[in-house]
This record gives sequence, C-alpha cells and structure tokens, in this order.
Amino acid sequence: EIVLTQSPGTLSLSPGERATLSCRASQSVGNYLAWYQQKPGQAPRLLIYDASNRATGIPARFSGGGSGTDFTLTISNLEPEDFALYYCQQRGNWPPITFGQGTRLEI
Amino acid sequence: EVQLLESGGGLVQPGGSLRLSCAASGFTFSNYAMSWVRQAPGKGLEWVSSISASGGTTYYADSVKGRFTISRDNSENTLYLQMTSLRAEDTAVYYCASGYCSGGVCYFVYFQHWGQGTLVTVSS
Repeated sequence: EIVLTQSPGTLSLSPGERATLSCRASQSVGNYLAWYQQKPGQAPRLLIYDASNRATGIPARFSGGGSGTDFTLTISNLEPEDFALYYCQQRGNWPPITFGQGTRLEI
Repeated sequence: EVQLLESGGGLVQPGGSLRLSCAASGFTFSNYAMSWVRQAPGKGLEWVSSISASGGTTYYADSVKGRFTISRDNSENTLYLQMTSLRAEDTAVYYCASGYCSGGVCYFVYFQHWGQGTLVTVSS
C-alpha cells in the first residue's frame, strides 16, 4: 500500500500570501496524484488531477506540480475562502486508493 | 445540476448490517465509475470501494473486503453499498463519489462529484 505523507500538518498564512503544500509518496505514483479541498461540514472538492491539471471550474490560483514521489499544491494570492483542509490522493498503484492525512490551511 | 444523495445511514449494533443508497441526477450516471469514500469523525478520508460504469468490475479496501458489497442499478441511477458484520471502526460519514471525466477522458478513481454524506454509527 502506498502511504502519502502531507506536510506541514498546519500552515498559517494571511490572505494575499502564497501557500505551498507538500505530499510525499512512499513509492512512485508517476503523475497519478490528485488534490482535494474540504471545508467543515462539506464534502471534498477535486482541485487538481494527474499532478498538475486543474479540474473543471477550479481557479487558476491553484496549481499542482511534481511527479514520482514528491508533489506540491500551490495556492497563489490566498483568498479567504481558501482556508480549509487539503488532501492528496494517489491512483498510481491501486487498489487501494490512498489519501494523505491532510494539511490544514488556517488564517 | 449534478446531485448525489446518500441515504440509509444510522445507528447499528456491532455485527449488524446496513445498506446505503446513493441516488444520482444531473449527469449520465451509466457513463461514470462510482465509489464510496468514508471519513471517521474528526479523521481523514478513506477509500472504501469502487465500481466500474457498467458494474462489471468492483474493488474493495482490505478493511471491508468480504463484508461490504458495492453495486449499482444504471436503470435507476442508483449506487449501493451493502454493509454486513459491521464493526465500531466502520463508524464514519460515507460519501458516494463519481469518477472524473474531462475532454472525453474518464478517470476511474479521481472523485469529481460528491454527495453530502450519510453517517453510519456502529455502537451497542
């Protein structure tokens, strides 16, 4: 089973700043990695798939990068609505599908 | 508007059974792989099971294999999860989620559309 480790656990920033979230896989997943955003009481929302492709309707301030075992989600010019939980998820070697433990982005 | 509406959650005793349903609307259900993802209270996301668009192929997490069965009725646009031999550690909000399609390419297990979730509590 591929383990995804996200860092940091919590990231404290202000609106207008740039956020960089990391996800490291225990073995290569190629570029088969996605990022999700989850707000309290809501279902997750797909942001990025295949490491760097924005999902439908996702603003351009969200970008993803990386391949193999190391991936990043960058959110430029943070908006108030961006403060949430973020998860990475791999499909490079499944089943099982696995998720990271999450990074909390807080003001 | 795409909608996924889960139902069937509730309180059940350890060892009991429950069937979850997920009614889909607003998209061509029969074209999409579907999955169940759960989230224990205050915890992260855990993939449970997936089924192909036709229903012919299914996948399960080891933690539920042999106890849970995923199925779908494309004529009724409904996804199911039959859960048996339930354990305390199965307590979670269960989400149904669709695969992701873009530009004519569909991805089995990236999760685009999600329901609001249904809470399953396993406790005596």
